[in-house]
Amino acid sequence: AQSVAQPEDQVNVAEGNPLTVKCTYSVSGNPYLFWYVQYPNRGLQFLLKYITGDNLVKGSYGFEAEFNKSQTSFHLKKPSALVSDSALYFCAVRDIGSYKLIFGSGTRLLVRP
Amino acid sequence: KAGVTQTPRYLIKTRGQQVTLSCSPISGHRSVSWYQQTPGQGLQFLFEYFSETQRNKGNFPGRFSGRQFSNSRSEMNVSTLELGDSALYLCASRDGGVDRAASPLHFGNGTRLTVT
Repeated sequence: AQSVAQPEDQVNVAEGNPLTVKCTYSVSGNPYLFWYVQYPNRGLQFLLKYITGDNLVKGSYGFEAEFNKSQTSFHLKKPSALVSDSALYFCAVRDIGSYKLIFGSGTRLLVRP
Repeated sequence: KAGVTQTPRYLIKTRGQQVTLSCSPISGHRSVSWYQQTPGQGLQFLFEYFSETQRNKGNFPGRFSGRQFSNSRSEMNVSTLELGDSALYLCASRDGGVDRAASPLHFGNGTRLTVT
């Protein structure tokens, strides 16, 4: 069965510093991986996806993610964090049998001024 | 294009009542999925509809049901509400084209249901 894990409940980073939010996956076959962000009292916003091709995927708002097959990881990154990036981030994998998205538990990112 | 619209944004119901939540997908999207979000269980898949047919169903009791109309709008219904049904219910639509696996979900802002 497909699954994703987000090992950190919270990540703290200073504004202007690089940020990384970690995600590892477990799938049979080729993974279809996604990152979403959720602001308070809002739904999830799609950031980026990895389907195939380049291991470095670029997405919205300056975010990117690095797919690493040997480490089964798909970490979200940003070179310079903004206070407005503070939110809840979810990694997800597509279940190929049902096509539903299976989400990780979420990581709260706090960017301090 | 307008995004996914969910109504109402907030609902307060009493245990034992039933509730209906509504979702209008992005124009042109024929696939609609529903998720439940709670602090304890996180995001859990409820069901997916495509062209008025339920494609998949998550592991929820039969009290949770849904339907989709010919204009792709969807509703979900929860009968005999329990305290544990308090959650944010999220609707998402997807371009149900050829590559189902690759197309991302686009979420609405959700309906926050509180059961007292």
